[in-house]
Amino acid sequence: ETGVTQTPRHLVMGMTNKKSLKCEQHLGHNAMYWYKQSAKKPLELMFVYNFKEQTENNSVPSRFSPECPNSSHLFLHLHTLQPEDSALYLCASSQGLAGGGYEQYFGPGTRLTVT
Amino acid sequence: AQTVTQSQPEMSVQEAETVTLSCTYDTSENNYYLFWYKQPPSRQMILVIRQEAYKQQNATENRFSVNFQKAAKSFSLKISDSQLGDTAMYFCSTYNFNKFYFGSGTKLNVKP
Repeated sequence: ETGVTQTPRHLVMGMTNKKSLKCEQHLGHNAMYWYKQSAKKPLELMFVYNFKEQTENNSVPSRFSPECPNSSHLFLHLHTLQPEDSALYLCASSQGLAGGGYEQYFGPGTRLTVT
Repeated sequence: AQTVTQSQPEMSVQEAETVTLSCTYDTSENNYYLFWYKQPPSRQMILVIRQEAYKQQNATENRFSVNFQKAAKSFSLKISDSQLGDTAMYFCSTYNFNKFYFGSGTKLNVKP
């Protein structure tokens, strides 16, 4: 596997379920990100991790819980979601924080549908 | 609050022609980075080009170039000799104050 991978690629869950999204990067990067991409809306940055430490939480509801056990793996734990949380969730990584001009490498995304 | 505006939701261009995608942004920072990302249909988002705000010279990457007007807070992307593979969503973004801001995207369709 190369680049940034995400699993699962598609997920359908009920509002009372608990599920997790997984992201793995094989690029030796130090920073990882979660984004939410909804139709006809700008990409929304959710969380940023740098060297496993969370550096940014953009007022994301607590029903989304990130976890970064090491610089290569990033999880997004989901529970008690709402239908408006249905979206494409993108993971990205970069050598350094993007604020320093580093290019972000994106995964293919997980298409989440909340029923 | 920082915002990025892409005023063209959708554009079309004939193969081999030139097209310009517009982007304006709002910031109170003096130094920051600007990016154009491309998201082809059903494929991963990739960086097209980046510009550091304090550099006056416009960035160029092969057929892609930018027109960066710092005072006007404008960052347009020019694609020369358009190819079918350029068909994609294009997102303008900027980063400062530890936050990333993306525009809502421009869907570019390159016609044969």
